[in-house]
Amino acid sequence: SQTIHQWPATLVQPVGSPLSLECTVEGTSNPNLYWYRQAAGRGLQLLFYSVGIGQISSEVPQNLSASRPQDRQFILSSKKLLLSDSGFYLCAWSDYRGLGTEAFFGQGTRLTVV
Amino acid sequence: AQSVTQLDSHVSVSEGTPVLLRCNYSSSYSPSLFWYVQHPNKGLQLLLKYTSAATLVKGINGFEAEFKKSETSFHLTKPSAHMSDAAEYFCVVRNNAGNMLTFGGGTRLMVKP
Repeated sequence: SQTIHQWPATLVQPVGSPLSLECTVEGTSNPNLYWYRQAAGRGLQLLFYSVGIGQISSEVPQNLSASRPQDRQFILSSKKLLLSDSGFYLCAWSDYRGLGTEAFFGQGTRLTVV
Repeated sequence: AQSVTQLDSHVSVSEGTPVLLRCNYSSSYSPSLFWYVQHPNKGLQLLLKYTSAATLVKGINGFEAEFKKSETSFHLTKPSAHMSDAAEYFCVVRNNAGNMLTFGGGTRLMVKP
């Protein structure tokens, strides 16, 4: 069966510090991978998605970047965090064949920038 | 382009009464539609999905949703609310022409004793 791992679960970082959140998927090949952010009291905002190694699409301009160094690994990074980067970050995967398939979510990372 | 509108940001019901969470979508192609539930500080769990088969879809925890193409709606219902149903619910559309998921703004369901 497929599983998705996202870590850390919580993170408190000072403004200006770097960020690295990691997400890995097991039990599937060539998944579509997503990073979402959920600000307090708001819906989910798609940040990045990837359909293959090294292929990253950014949905919104921001202080963040994403990388996919391996087929089932998706990393969210920042060189210098801003206060506005605080939020709940969710990684997700879906089957590359697309049609009719749902996305599966990790348990999320609560990031607080202080 | 596709979009999803959840008509109510908050819904409050009493335990044992019916639940209705409304969702309207727009899509250029035949969409796949999903409802997810999110409990506080947790990831999203799939409740049910519509993928062009039966228009009435049954999901987990007694929830169901009906796809109505003429109304471009996919409302989520449950006959009798339970305290454990209190959570945030997201309606999601996936365009079958691509790999994109578009989320509604979410509906927070509160269940009163």
